[in-house]
Amino acid sequence: ETGVTQSPTHLIKTRGQQVTLRCSSQSGHNTVSWYQQALGQGPQFIFQYYREEENGRGNFPPRFSGLQFPNYSSELNVNALELDDSALYLCASSPGVLVLRETQYFGPGTRLLVL
Amino acid sequence: DQQVKQNSPSLSVQEGRISILNCDYTNSMFDYFLWYKKYPAEGPTFLISISSIKDKNEDGRFTVFLNKSAKHLSLHIVPSQPGDSAVYFCAASPARASGGYQKVTFGTGTKLQVIP
Repeated sequence: ETGVTQSPTHLIKTRGQQVTLRCSSQSGHNTVSWYQQALGQGPQFIFQYYREEENGRGNFPPRFSGLQFPNYSSELNVNALELDDSALYLCASSPGVLVLRETQYFGPGTRLLVL
Repeated sequence: DQQVKQNSPSLSVQEGRISILNCDYTNSMFDYFLWYKKYPAEGPTFLISISSIKDKNEDGRFTVFLNKSAKHLSLHIVPSQPGDSAVYFCAASPARASGGYQKVTFGTGTKLQVIP
C-alpha cells in the first residue's frame, strides 16, 4: 500500500475523444510524475509536476497535458485520443523537487483502451 | 531507442534456487540503477538500487551487481520464493538533474515465476 490512488481503474474511449485520469498522492508529496506503460513495455516518462508547475517532460506530444492541485491531487489529460494511446497510465509521487530515485511511490494505474 | 534492455521477457525458477535477472544499458550518462517489482493490478514498488560507484549492493535475499565497463547489471534473488513471482523492471537515471528533475528510464521487464 503506497498511499497513492488512481481513478478510474479502467476506461474505454473511442478515437478522437478526450480523457482525464486522476491521481491522489501521499500527503506532503509535492512531486507527481506520470508514466505510460504500453503492453509488453516498461513505463515511459510523460511529465512531472512540482508544486503545480510542470518541471520536466518526456517525448510526448502537447495533447498530453496535466494539472497538479494544492490538495496533492493531479490529472493527466489526453486530447484527440489515438489507438496507440491504449496503455496503463501510472502516476508516482515523491516528497521533493528532485525525484530521489528510490522514493517514487506508484499508484496502481488506470488502464485505458482506445477503440 | 531502448536505452535500458531486459532481453529475457520471462524466467522460471524452482523455489529455493537462485533467480538471476539481467539488464543492459546503452547510455553512459546513467549512473544510478534501480530494480522495481510489479504485481498484477498494482503499481511498481522499489526493490533495490545501486550507484555507479559500487559494483554490488545487498539487501536480504536481493543482491544487485553492476558491471560498468560492460554496461550490465543483474539482480540475484536467493533463495527464490513463490511470493517473488512478479514482473521485475530494471531502471536507470543520470547523475545530474536536468531542468529540475531526474528522469528514470525503465526496461521492458522480466516476468519471474517461482515454482513451488
